[in-house]
Amino acid sequence: KNEVEQSPQNLTAQEGEFITINCSYSVGISALHWLQQHPGGGIVSLFMLSSGKKKHGRLIATINIQEKHSSLHITASHPRDSAVYICAVRSGDMRFGAGTRLTVKP
Amino acid sequence: SQTIHQWPATLVQPVGSPLSLECTVEGTSNPNLYWYRQAAGRGLQLLFYSVGIGQISSEVPQNLSASRPQDRQFILSSKKLLLSDSGFYLCAWSWGQGYEQYFGPGTRLTVT
Repeated sequence: KNEVEQSPQNLTAQEGEFITINCSYSVGISALHWLQQHPGGGIVSLFMLSSGKKKHGRLIATINIQEKHSSLHITASHPRDSAVYICAVRSGDMRFGAGTRLTVKP
Repeated sequence: SQTIHQWPATLVQPVGSPLSLECTVEGTSNPNLYWYRQAAGRGLQLLFYSVGIGQISSEVPQNLSASRPQDRQFILSSKKLLLSDSGFYLCAWSWGQGYEQYFGPGTRLTVT
């Protein structure tokens, strides 16, 4: 079993839909990251959080340390949100989830 | 501001050939540097990290090696490529352990 599990693996949504991507981890962590990987491969860091909730534009990330669970929400999704979203936790080194491939259709 | 460069962007190499991928960071000094590989359909895997010149830590045994000849230069090498070395290689930097990592544009390597 991977230390970082993401669900779903693939997600297709219509433009405007509210999207949730989940991440569960089994190790003690000092921080959790949400990354966005564009179709060309480039990776952008979206959030780094160790407690509570962070919001940036249409993106919201939450973390529950007791339950070892984090969610990434996208409100009013848009085709340009189509990407692979990767959850990563810092437990000594970085451990990565396999990613969630999101496709938003117009 | 800080920027991170990788080259080449894409590379096709035959099995058994050598490899050299370069990563440089601008706008910061003494960063932590990282090499990751993303195999097709799989997650990111940390290969090497460095906390300073000449200091390299390897996370997994493999056909690859890394060097840090200068403060802001990180090189990934192989003497003889294997088919299994194909993948997307990402370099990243951070201010230090526990800080956010910033990724380069990546190099897509295909070993034929």
